[in-house]
Amino acid sequence: EPEVTQTPSHQVTQMGQEVILRCVPISNHLYFYWYRQILGQKVEFLVSFYNNEISEKSEIFDDQFSVERPDGSNFTLKIRSTKLEDSAMYFCASNNRGPDTQYFGPGTRLTVL
Amino acid sequence: KQEVTQIPAALSVPEGENLVLNCSFTDSAIYNLQWFRQDPGKGLTSLLLIQSSQREQTSGRLNASLDKSSGRSTLYIAASQPGDSATYLCAVPFTSGTYKYIFGTGTRLKVLA
Repeated sequence: EPEVTQTPSHQVTQMGQEVILRCVPISNHLYFYWYRQILGQKVEFLVSFYNNEISEKSEIFDDQFSVERPDGSNFTLKIRSTKLEDSAMYFCASNNRGPDTQYFGPGTRLTVL
Repeated sequence: KQEVTQIPAALSVPEGENLVLNCSFTDSAIYNLQWFRQDPGKGLTSLLLIQSSQREQTSGRLNASLDKSSGRSTLYIAASQPGDSATYLCAVPFTSGTYKYIFGTGTRLKVLA
């Protein structure tokens, strides 16, 4: 069964450094999402992406964040200058149509020191 | 603005019991509701998706119901097993016409052998 994959599974970085989290959505899907979950808290929406542009973003998704679909398979989340509070699990999701089931990847645990 | 609440926050039951997890949401203008399972430190596994036109969905020992007018959904787990131990999350669209999800805080279930 097709699945969403994410790399790396765990990323440790120093505060102020740039990180890129990578996702490979399910191949025929057209809608892509990033969510994050700070330890012990709710899963929070960050951004959705469709037709090569951001369709929605949350208040969390400020100028430090960017997303890109650099080729036909990858979907990336870049954090330009990481802060301690960016430490969280980041989940990528995809679906074929907006109202359909969103399929989530296993997540990347980001630790900012 | 959509708010999602899940009760109870934690539940511990002996193996074999039937149990009900509750999810309530404040904005009833939703087009679907999705239930997920999350194992500790892991990603989100979709269990059931209920479209707004449906009242319930079943998958194996799981049955989810939706009552839009009252802003409630329940997840029924029959004949619980230790392998069902996980956190169960419900998610609904932020508002009508958007595909981003708002997640509840989850119910942490432990099934004792």
